[in-house]
Amino acid sequence: NAGVMQNPRHLVRRRGQEARLRCSPMKGHSHVYWYRQLPEEGLKFMVYLQKENIIDESGMPKERFSAEFPKEGPSILRIQQVVRGDSAAYFCATSGQNLYEQYFGPGTRLTVT
Amino acid sequence: DQQVKQNSPSLSVQEGRISILNCDYTNSMFDYFLWYKKYPAEGPTFLISISSIKDKNEDGRFTVFLNKSAKHLSLHIVPSQPGDSAVYFCAASAIGNTGNQFYFGTGTSLTVIP
Repeated sequence: NAGVMQNPRHLVRRRGQEARLRCSPMKGHSHVYWYRQLPEEGLKFMVYLQKENIIDESGMPKERFSAEFPKEGPSILRIQQVVRGDSAAYFCATSGQNLYEQYFGPGTRLTVT
Repeated sequence: DQQVKQNSPSLSVQEGRISILNCDYTNSMFDYFLWYKKYPAEGPTFLISISSIKDKNEDGRFTVFLNKSAKHLSLHIVPSQPGDSAVYFCAASAIGNTGNQFYFGTGTSLTVIP
């Protein structure tokens, strides 16, 4: 986990609000993966980004969810108009040239009330 | 569609004995397999991995076995220690043109009893 930063660690939102989750990769890493862990489930892939590009978003819900990884700054996972079912732990993982080595951040626990 | 399965949600083992965690997968295209360890309120931490060209990889107390014909892998921890108590996730991947997303199992919670 060392080096991959996620904030906030805990986020509480009311239904209908927006949630913004941030992920700062390890130094030298330009590949970012977002995963979601629902209660009693494993981690599920959501989206894979490189700098300024979305490479694979096959795991993202079609509506309300978006992700970006700008040239400068952290990667952001945005959830608009949150619903109770969005409550989960969201993890990002980053890698450098070796795509087999993914390092995970500590996660953001989103609670929708 | 769960492509990686861990059918035992929990396992309890006496300290000093062997812990065996199992994992099954369905996609024959997977070519790399990993085990992650996760403590509460933390992200998964890489533990050990194995490429599909091998059938065994060992690192200290941890050994991963891969049986490609059965699409099965297992993690052996020996001797087990109380500090090994955590949730263990099996993951599989197949690097393609769209990156290397990992497919995770649902996890096995290991408790090592002192």
